Amino acid sequence: AQSVTQLGSHVSVSEGALVLLRCNYSSSVPPYLFWYVQYPNQGLQLLLKYTSAATLVKGINGFEAEFKKSETSFHLTKPSAHMSDAAEYFCAVRFYGGATNKLIFGTGTLLAVQP
Amino acid sequence: SQTIHQWPATLVQPVGSPLSLECTVEGTSNPNLYWYRQAAGRGLQLLFYSVGIGQISSEVPQNLSASRPQDRQFILSSKKLLLSDSGFYLCAWSKSGADNEQFFGPGTRLTVL
Repeated sequence: AQSVTQLGSHVSVSEGALVLLRCNYSSSVPPYLFWYVQYPNQGLQLLLKYTSAATLVKGINGFEAEFKKSETSFHLTKPSAHMSDAAEYFCAVRFYGGATNKLIFGTGTLLAVQP
Repeated sequence: SQTIHQWPATLVQPVGSPLSLECTVEGTSNPNLYWYRQAAGRGLQLLFYSVGIGQISSEVPQNLSASRPQDRQFILSSKKLLLSDSGFYLCAWSKSGADNEQFFGPGTRLTVL
């Protein structure tokens, strides 16, 4: 079955440290992949997306993600965390097939940034 | 540019009361529309999606319903709310096409007491 998994429901880093949020998908065909960020009591905002062009995708706020087909992964990274990065992050996948671009979301990773 | 609106922003309703949440999109035509629910500490659950006026697909059985009376209007309803209907409801839109992202509204916080 097609699925998306985010390892680690809570991640805590120090300000200035590397941020690494993990996302793996299960599919025999590389899907379209997205990362969203959600601040408390707000909607989701798109950080970046992979649509079979460059495997390293740069997004907003200094985030980037690398698509690795061999590992079926699309991990999100940022070299240096800021306090303002504290939020919940969702990986989403659109698998091929179907009449709409329905997305399957991971369960989210809550990022805490310590001063 | 496109914008998406949801109202109300917050809502407190007693068990058994009706519900109507509204979502409208501006700046685009014939969007795909989606309703999600986000329960506390959990991910997003797709409730309904629509590819056109009057076309509604339900993803999970529940006591909620959706309607799309106009191209850019999407309504989530219930005749009788349950405690388990509490949550954060998000509306989203997208263009058709596999690589198009979804754009989310600000959400409605529903508390059923």
